[in-house]
Amino acid sequence: DAGVIQSPRHEVTEMGQEVTLRCKPISGHDYLFWYRQTMMRGLELLIYFNNNVPIDDSGMPEDRFSAKMPNASFSTLKIQPSEPRDSAVYFCASSSTLGQGNTEAFFGQGTRLTVV
Amino acid sequence: DQQVKQNSPSLSVQEGRISILNCDYTNSMFDYFLWYKKYPAEGPTFLISISSIKDKNEDGRFTVFLNKSAKHLSLHIVPSQPGDSAVYFCAARSGGSNYKLTFGKGTLLTVNP
Repeated sequence: DAGVIQSPRHEVTEMGQEVTLRCKPISGHDYLFWYRQTMMRGLELLIYFNNNVPIDDSGMPEDRFSAKMPNASFSTLKIQPSEPRDSAVYFCASSSTLGQGNTEAFFGQGTRLTVV
Repeated sequence: DQQVKQNSPSLSVQEGRISILNCDYTNSMFDYFLWYKKYPAEGPTFLISISSIKDKNEDGRFTVFLNKSAKHLSLHIVPSQPGDSAVYFCAARSGGSNYKLTFGKGTLLTVNP
């Protein structure tokens, strides 16, 4: 398996523009997580899905952020409108609860977002 | 409120010596703990984990110790190698069917040749 695939790797956008980050989880994994990494707050969970259903979105900072998982192999994180303080590295991760309920999550390489 | 804390932002050790990375947590409901390693421009990768019913787990050069009464865990790397230089994140999970992981801010380990 190619692992968790995120696109784009880098995104530079102007303040006020819409940004869409994409993620393809590992095939067969039933959990998908979106994390954001900043110097100040470290790795913080934004939202996670189980079997394509959002379970906990309490980490989503504002209504400007939204996430969808239309099927088991694709998820998006959208920011509209974007602001400079959204600049961060966004990670997608997936995990499987098959077997012994292992909670090891596999991370993608991240999308570095810069909002100018 | 930070439920998982890594109080040392950085650590520097000599090659061949022991590296000890520490992590404290506040939530007594956490029942599973993990360590991740992260190289620049890459995503975190899983390293080792421990269940709250154990106090030690070993995998090659890596050992994780858990002290539940102190709400403290540590990662020992022996012997340390230059390739171990990375940011190490401690993570914890609450019990039940909640698979949400809470991460610390990380510790940058530098192993000098």
